[in-house]
Amino acid sequence: GAVVSQHPSWVICKSGTSVKIECRSLDFQATTMFWYRQFPKQSLMLMATSNEGSKATYEQGVEKDKFLINHASLTLSTLTVTSAHPEDSSFYICSAVPGTGLYNEQFFGPGTRLTVL
Amino acid sequence: AQKITQTQPGMFVQEKEAVTLDCTYDTSDPSYGLFWYKQPSSGEMIFLIYQGSYDQQNATEGRYSLNFQKARKSANLVISASQLGDSAMYFCAMRGNTGNQFYFGTGTSLTVIP
Repeated sequence: GAVVSQHPSWVICKSGTSVKIECRSLDFQATTMFWYRQFPKQSLMLMATSNEGSKATYEQGVEKDKFLINHASLTLSTLTVTSAHPEDSSFYICSAVPGTGLYNEQFFGPGTRLTVL
Repeated sequence: AQKITQTQPGMFVQEKEAVTLDCTYDTSDPSYGLFWYKQPSSGEMIFLIYQGSYDQQNATEGRYSLNFQKARKSANLVISASQLGDSAMYFCAMRGNTGNQFYFGTGTSLTVIP
């Protein structure tokens, strides 16, 4: 099956620093990648949709200047949390989709647990 | 607008019994896809089963089956012969044809009792 990797799997940083999370599709080209945020015992909240070579589309209420997304190639998307604060602590999950058909399921990365001190 | 509703925040089932997890949806798209994912405590999202809106038959994948009732806009997941390893969060999701996004329900926490 298709594999999506995410790095790092967990990170602890000081308030005010920036953190970059990578999402890679290892054995397929992803036309679209999604970035989600998940709080404990809650559902996935879509943050942004990332298409290769174009600007990401952010969901309402998500600060694009704080959560920078770069989809540099068909296999790599990065999420940078700039000037992180404790309220940014969360579980961040990316997913990649190989096509636009309705059947094209999204393949999820294993997630990154961010803790901001 | 797309909306997915899971009304069961938590469910318990005896090992080896069957359990049904409810999911209803709302969409104006003429065609759409419905997905179920499992999320164990490790956090990874595991794809379980897919149902297309025009599929005539209910989807099945091993012990998982999807009870699709289009007129009622429901897509319930049935897990047969529950196992202890089935204990996890389960999310219903939908993808329409007017956008690329997936819409998730709030999830159901399933606990299998030995």
